[in-house]
Amino acid sequence: DSGVTQTPKHLITATGQRVTLRCSPRSGDLSVYWYQQSLDQGLQFLIQYYNGEERAKGNILERFSAQQFPDLHSELNLSSLELGDSALYFCASSALGGTGELFFGEGSRLTVL
Amino acid sequence: QQQVKQSPQSLIVQKGGISIINCAYENTAFDYFPWYQQFPGKGPALLIAIRPDVSEKKEGRFTISFNKSAKQFSLHIMDSQPGDSATYFCAASDGGGATNKLIFGTGTLLAVQP
Repeated sequence: DSGVTQTPKHLITATGQRVTLRCSPRSGDLSVYWYQQSLDQGLQFLIQYYNGEERAKGNILERFSAQQFPDLHSELNLSSLELGDSALYFCASSALGGTGELFFGEGSRLTVL
Repeated sequence: QQQVKQSPQSLIVQKGGISIINCAYENTAFDYFPWYQQFPGKGPALLIAIRPDVSEKKEGRFTISFNKSAKQFSLHIMDSQPGDSATYFCAASDGGGATNKLIFGTGTLLAVQP
């Protein structure tokens, strides 16, 4: 158990809809990272937050947004969903600096029909 | 320049054999090179990591070999076991303390046959 909690584990929705994925980091970790894993793209970095502020941005679509709340949990919002957005979405957390290790949750599997 | 290229895409090894997975990078600012292991239905978990000031790191049956001049690194799994069957990802980071974000390779699906 990594200590990172993601909900929901599975989500099925239709094209054009909006969903919110939630992540609770390990106790004490201030950094949260979001990754998208699809069969043909591997693990793609989307965005990182540190203590409530955006720290790094990757290949995140404009239809996607994220935020980190004062209690350090994070949410990834996916809107105007397309079939191609079907993927596993992972959240990871870390203590900034330190060993550099990211601790991953078990992911949220999104299926867009 | 931010890519990490990983090969092979899949690998089948007999129990007791050596599994070798290779990665290459372009960004010379990368300063941290971990390998993650992922089992079906689970998130990736750190297996072993190396920084560029050493050429090799060994932890049990797992060894990272690092070639800074060639910008390549590899994972060797000695005495491979069926329980090692998983997807392995190499990664790299140039965080420098500001961010620990990892750029991942595309993954290698390893199957160890009994």
